[in-house]
Order: sequence, then C-alpha cells, then structure tokens
Amino acid sequence: GNSVTQMEGPVTLSEEAFLTINCTYTATGYPSLFWYVQYPGEGLQLLLKATKADDKGSNKGFEATYRKETTSFHLEKGSVQVSDSAVYFCALRERETTGTASKLTFGTGTRLQVTL
Amino acid sequence: DTGVSQDPRHKITKRGQNVTFRCDPISEHNRLYWYRQTLGQGPEFLTYFQNEAQLEKSRLLSDRFSAERPKGSFSTLEIQRTEQGDSAMYLCASSFGGWTLSGNTIYFGEGSWLTVV
Repeated sequence: GNSVTQMEGPVTLSEEAFLTINCTYTATGYPSLFWYVQYPGEGLQLLLKATKADDKGSNKGFEATYRKETTSFHLEKGSVQVSDSAVYFCALRERETTGTASKLTFGTGTRLQVTL
Repeated sequence: DTGVSQDPRHKITKRGQNVTFRCDPISEHNRLYWYRQTLGQGPEFLTYFQNEAQLEKSRLLSDRFSAERPKGSFSTLEIQRTEQGDSAMYLCASSFGGWTLSGNTIYFGEGSWLTVV
C-alpha cells in the first residue's frame, strides 16, 4: 500500500535559519505529492504540490522537488520566520484510474517551532 | 463561499451519546471527503462521496459511524454510542474533478474537534 514517512519533530530553529523537512514515500503508481500546513487549532492548508517527477512546487518561500529516483519530496525554506511555526504534513495522492477515486495518504507530521 | 466550512468546531459529549457533524464543501465541488486526525498523527481517510454517492469507506469507519450527502451538497457524519477512542478532530475536505483528472487539489475545512468524556 501507499505510505509517507516524515522526519520526526519537533524541529526547533532560530528565525532566518534554513529549514529542511524530509519526506519519503512508497507508492505503487505515479502519485502527486503535497505539503500541507496546520497552524494551531486549525485545519489543513495546502502549501505546495508537484504532480510529476522533477516538478518543483513552491509557495511563500517554501520549495519541494519531486524526486522519483529517491522517492522523496523534501520541504525547504531559506529563511524561516516565527510565523512559520506549525505542523507540516507530507502527503501523496495516487493517479486516478477510471472507476476509482484517489485519496490523500498523509505522513505523521513534523512540528516546526521557530524562535526569535 | 470561500472555503470548506464545518460545524460545530468543538463538541464535548458523554460516552454513549450520539453526535453529528456537518460539512459544507466549496460550491460546485462534486467530491467530499471525511478524515479523522488524532493528536500527533496525520489525517486518516474515513470515507468519500462523489456527488451524493458514497463510493468508498475505510476500515476505520465502524458500524457506529454513518455519513450522508443526500443532495450532493452538504454532508453529515454521525457517530452513534460514542466511545472515548472516538475523541479526535474530524476533517472534511472537498475537490472538483472527474475520473481522469489527477493532482487536483483537495481543500480542507478547519475541522470539528470531538471530546468524549
């Protein structure tokens, strides 16, 4: 079956530090890959996505590149801010075939804490 | 309508009581999903609707759980005879797509927190 593995948190960084959150996946097909962010007490917000190998998703200074050869989708940001403190979820979604619908499979999440 | 809305946001109930959550998806989204998230874990898929048809249910959805989407718009998730293990956040999500679209974005609501005491 499909699965997503993320690095365990919490990750604690000082403001303006470089961020990497590792994510690897296992899938039977060619999934689309996503990063979602969850701020305290809130639901999930899509941060970025990539739908095929070598695609780079980016948003709000965050980036992630779909690496098929290493089955990875690591999240990076060059300079984090206190407001980036949240839980980050890596997820995959299988490509749909006729008669089926694909759903998201999530990792366990990585908590990021950014301090001044 | 700017997003998926869920009601109530928080619910505290006694063990054995029934609870119902409502989800209003983004307008014109034909797909609606329910997920469950426990503390420290990622969301887990519960069930999925295409319009009014419930097309898939997870093994996590025991007989005490029932979901409906009667007119293909809003959906309800009912939990009967609640147990302490049902305490979690219940997330609703929606998307628009047909059978051959892939990578189309799934948008989540803010979730409904359930505490069973």
